[in-house]
Amino acid sequence: GENVEQHPSTLSVQEGDSAVIKCTYSDSASNYFPWYKQELGKGPQLIIDIRSNVGEKKDQRIAVTLNKTAKHFSLHITETQPEDSAVYFCAAPSKAGRRALTFGSGTRLQVQP
Amino acid sequence: DTGVSQNPRHKITKRGQNVTFRCDPISEHNRLYWYRQTLGQGPEFLTYFQNEAQLEKSRLLSDRFSAERPKGSFSTLEIQRTEQGDSAMYLCASSLGDGAYQETQYFGPGTRLLVL
Repeated sequence: GENVEQHPSTLSVQEGDSAVIKCTYSDSASNYFPWYKQELGKGPQLIIDIRSNVGEKKDQRIAVTLNKTAKHFSLHITETQPEDSAVYFCAAPSKAGRRALTFGSGTRLQVQP
Repeated sequence: DTGVSQNPRHKITKRGQNVTFRCDPISEHNRLYWYRQTLGQGPEFLTYFQNEAQLEKSRLLSDRFSAERPKGSFSTLEIQRTEQGDSAMYLCASSLGDGAYQETQYFGPGTRLLVL
């Protein structure tokens, strides 16, 4: 099955700075990579996803890049704001063709005002 | 609110008791998932339904766990003879899909279980 590793586990930035979170995966057949944001006491919320037929996707201050050769993908948040503070999870399909997702261990992002 | 809903939001039980959680997916979503999340970890997949058929089950889903989706709408997750190690957040997600394409899974707020 898929193995997803996520780094760093904690990240503290100043408001307005950029934040980058990186994930690696093991199954070269994986073709879908979502990123979720989880606030305290809430369920994960999808913020952006990317499929293996593109290398980069942007949505306002958030972008995701995918390097299929190296089997890693990254979340980029620019102009961070205090409300970006949360735990972020990357994920990938547990096995090609399966519906289950395997999640990384999470990154706690703290944006200092 | 048209998102995924879960009930109860919190459950405290004594070891050995049975508990049941309910998940109502987004209307018309044909796929429904259960995940478990322990403190400081990412969600771990438990099981997945397409309509009323349970198509995938994780090794985490021991014999004490059973999930149903009898009419292809809401789902229940039952844990029998609870153990302290069952303490976790139980998350439900749903999606709308009709092929091999991996579609977005939308999560509910979760049910936090504490086994004393």
